[in-house]
Amino acid sequence: GIQVEQSPPDLILQEGANSTLRCNFSDSVNNLQWFHQNPWGQLINLFYIPSGTKQNGRLSATTVATERYSLLYISSSQTTDSGVYFCAVKYGSGNTGKLIFGQGTTLQVKP
Amino acid sequence: DAGITQSPRHKVTETGTPVTLRCHQTENHRYMYWYRQDPGHGLRLIHYSYGVKDTDKGEVSDGYSVSRSKTEDFLLTLESATSSQTSVYFCAISSQGTNSPLHFGNGTRLTVT
Repeated sequence: GIQVEQSPPDLILQEGANSTLRCNFSDSVNNLQWFHQNPWGQLINLFYIPSGTKQNGRLSATTVATERYSLLYISSSQTTDSGVYFCAVKYGSGNTGKLIFGQGTTLQVKP
Repeated sequence: DAGITQSPRHKVTETGTPVTLRCHQTENHRYMYWYRQDPGHGLRLIHYSYGVKDTDKGEVSDGYSVSRSKTEDFLLTLESATSSQTSVYFCAISSQGTNSPLHFGNGTRLTVT
């Protein structure tokens, strides 16, 4: 089956720093999503990004499907950005294809 | 925030007892999912539904059953709970399945003793 690898596994930043999280996948995918799980366990959808670049405030994401990777950029990080970031790729055709999740990048932003 | 409510939020049960978790949505989305999250395994799909009375298995469906009698409700039943089913369970919804953003509920923490 398809493999999804995220890097780095752990990241510690000082507040105000920028970071880039990476998601590599082993096969062609139809789309990709990024999620943030906050320290209270809530999972929030950040981006639905099959290809190209999207921006939402201090966060942006780029997916290059032909090269099998996606990047999540966090600029001017804040303590509220702490948590685990997951990417998930769609595997299979149609609306009932499966989403395969990576193992996540754990981010800690220090004040 | 997507209107997704999971109940209960926490539950402790004994091995061998049946348990039902409920997911209720107010978004009228066609697709609903049950995931479990475990350390070292990430998020894994248990079952999903693509319409009323239409369900299918995910990658870790053994020991679980689901039902969807109304668009807004998706039930997950552990037929005879085991300690290996101790986990955090998340419900998720989407309007067009995996071709649209997935939105999660706040989760149910289940402990099987």
